[in-house]
Amino acid sequence: GDSVTQMEGPVTLSEEAFLTINCTYTATGYPSLFWYVQYPGEGLQLLLKATKADDKGSNKGFEATYRKETTSFHLEKGSVQVSDSAVYFCALSDGNTDKLIFGTGTRLQVFP
Amino acid sequence: EPEVTQTPSHQVTQMGQEVILRCVPISNHLYFYWYRQILGQKVEFLVSFYNNEISEKSEIFDDQFSVERPDGSNFTLKIRSTKLEDSAMYFCASSGEGTDTQYFGPGTRLTVL
Repeated sequence: GDSVTQMEGPVTLSEEAFLTINCTYTATGYPSLFWYVQYPGEGLQLLLKATKADDKGSNKGFEATYRKETTSFHLEKGSVQVSDSAVYFCALSDGNTDKLIFGTGTRLQVFP
Repeated sequence: EPEVTQTPSHQVTQMGQEVILRCVPISNHLYFYWYRQILGQKVEFLVSFYNNEISEKSEIFDDQFSVERPDGSNFTLKIRSTKLEDSAMYFCASSGEGTDTQYFGPGTRLTVL
């Protein structure tokens, strides 16, 4: 079945460092891909999405490009802030079913 | 900005008791979902609901679980006889027509003692 694999955390960075969180997927169809963020004590917030190959989703300085050839949707940010500390979830929706399939989440910790 | 709301934020119950978790989806959305997240684990799909019926459910969503849209605004998840392993954060989500983007509520933390 469809699945999402994320890099294990925690990822620990200093403020203004470059961030990459890897995400790869397995899907039989043509899924939409998402990044959700969960700040401490809060629910899931949609960060960005991409619906087809080569699309780039972006929001709040974060970017991710839908790479069909490598089945990847890596999350990047050029300069992280302490306020970016959260758990980041990669997810897919294959369009044939209603459900989102999530990765295990990657905890990001940014220190001043 | 419209948002999904959930009540209560935290529910503590005794094993074997019934609980009802409540959600108010975004008002013009037509598709509704429940997910759960056991502490430290991934977010798992439970059920989706459209046009007053379940459209898909996972293996987790057994006979102890049910969902209902009792009126035009609420969407509820009932667990008939709670077990210790039902302790988790339960998230409600909704999406609109023609989009696969789901918007999540803040979650209800269920603790079964």
